[in-house]
Amino acid sequence: RKEVEQDPGPFNVPEGATVAFNCTYSNSASQSFFWYRQDCRKEPKLLMSVYSSGNEDGRFTAQLNRASQYISLLIRDSKLSDSATYLCVVNWESNYQLIWGAGTKLIIKP
Amino acid sequence: EPEVTQTPSHQVTQMGQEVILRCVPISNHLYFYWYRQILGQKVEFLVSFYNNEISEKSEIFDDQFSVERPDGSNFTLKIRSTKLEDSAMYFCASSENLAGGNTQYFGPGTRLTVL
Repeated sequence: RKEVEQDPGPFNVPEGATVAFNCTYSNSASQSFFWYRQDCRKEPKLLMSVYSSGNEDGRFTAQLNRASQYISLLIRDSKLSDSATYLCVVNWESNYQLIWGAGTKLIIKP
Repeated sequence: EPEVTQTPSHQVTQMGQEVILRCVPISNHLYFYWYRQILGQKVEFLVSFYNNEISEKSEIFDDQFSVERPDGSNFTLKIRSTKLEDSAMYFCASSENLAGGNTQYFGPGTRLTVL
């Protein structure tokens, strides 16, 4: 069964705080991992790909743990504009098909 | 910055009617995709398309659905006889290649409402 699981939230976080999300996936053969963000009623937008060694892009850090089959996203110094739903996305047997988590809703409060 | 475009932004149709949703992928991209998202639910993969043929499709993509690249720029999704449960946001995406993990770029979506 194709499963990508996320805590739906919402996470209510004060501006400036650090917040972390996890996501678990069921297919140990998955090779590509991504975090997308989706604003209400808009298209998903790529936030970052997740590499085996972990990667950082400004305030955002992504980690992959293959042994436990989870990926994480850390947001430091959160801003009001970070409020969105964060979608964990994993490829399946092939690279064509991406399987999506239901998303974690983040609300940053002033 | 190049982007995926979709038309129309909103389509309202009667149950049983055929609809065609249109997409213009990013021009140097070779792989094209359709996804749907029912309101409040997950994004769901429908189909991928490469080299003028379907490369993969999900269980959702049954005989009611078809895709086509009628010319060098458009990529269309046809739903032959719409049902109420086809009401959703339909996103088109494209990617340059499968190397580097297949980063897909999404269009703004077409909201399909079946009455």
